[in-house]
Amino acid sequence: GEDVEQSLFLSVREGDSSVINCTYTDSSSTYLYWYKQEPGAGLQLLTYIFSNMDMKQDQRLTVLLNKKDKHLSLRIADTQTGDSAIYFCAEMWSGNTPLVFGKGTRLSVIA
Amino acid sequence: DAGVIQSPRHEVTEMGQEVTLRCKPISGHDYLFWYRQTMMRGLELLIYFNNNVPIDDSGMPEDRFSAKMPNASFSTLKIQPSEPRDSAVYFCASSPTSGSGNEQFFGPGTRLTVL
Repeated sequence: GEDVEQSLFLSVREGDSSVINCTYTDSSSTYLYWYKQEPGAGLQLLTYIFSNMDMKQDQRLTVLLNKKDKHLSLRIADTQTGDSAIYFCAEMWSGNTPLVFGKGTRLSVIA
Repeated sequence: DAGVIQSPRHEVTEMGQEVTLRCKPISGHDYLFWYRQTMMRGLELLIYFNNNVPIDDSGMPEDRFSAKMPNASFSTLKIQPSEPRDSAVYFCASSPTSGSGNEQFFGPGTRLTVL
C-alpha cells in the first residue's frame, strides 16, 4: 500500500498489555518510529528501531519489526491511565529525510 | 536545551489575512521540518531545510504558502492570504545530521484557526 496504516482505536484495561500495530510502505525504510501525542500537545518520540533489528525493548515498551511483511508493532506492558494518547507510527525512507506518518491509534485505558 | 520553540501557540485570524508562524530549532540541529496536522489528512510534510537551504517543498499546498530560514536558529512559515481550509496544527521539528536514530524533535505546534 501507499499509506502507513494503523487501526484508529484501541481500548485496554489498566494493568493489561497494549499492542498497537502498523503496516508501513517501504521495506527499505531506514528507521521506524513510535511517537505519542497527548491532547493539545506536540509529538513525543517514544522509541525507534533501525531496519536491521527485529526487536527493541525499552522499559515497558517493546517494538517488533517484521521487514518481510512491513509490519511494526508497539507493546506497552502494564498499561497505565497516563498512557492514554494517540500513538503514531512513522517511517523514514533514508537518513535525515521527512517522516511519513500513519493516521494514529487512539489508546484509551480504562481504570 | 529548551527544545524546539514555536510561536504563537494559537492563532485565530480572518480569511484573507496574512499569517506568520515561527520556529526556533534546537541549537546545533542542521535539519528543520514543517509539518501540518489535520483530522482528514493526518500529519503531512510541508517543507524541510538542511543548513538553512530548502531541500523539498513539494508538500507546500500552493503559492499562498512560503517558508524561509534566514539563519540556523529561525524559520518562518507564511500563509498569504489565509483561507478556512488552512486551519490546522502546524508543527516544526528539528534533527541533527548525526544522531543515533536520526530522531526528529517536535515543537508544541501552532494551532491555526482561519474564520
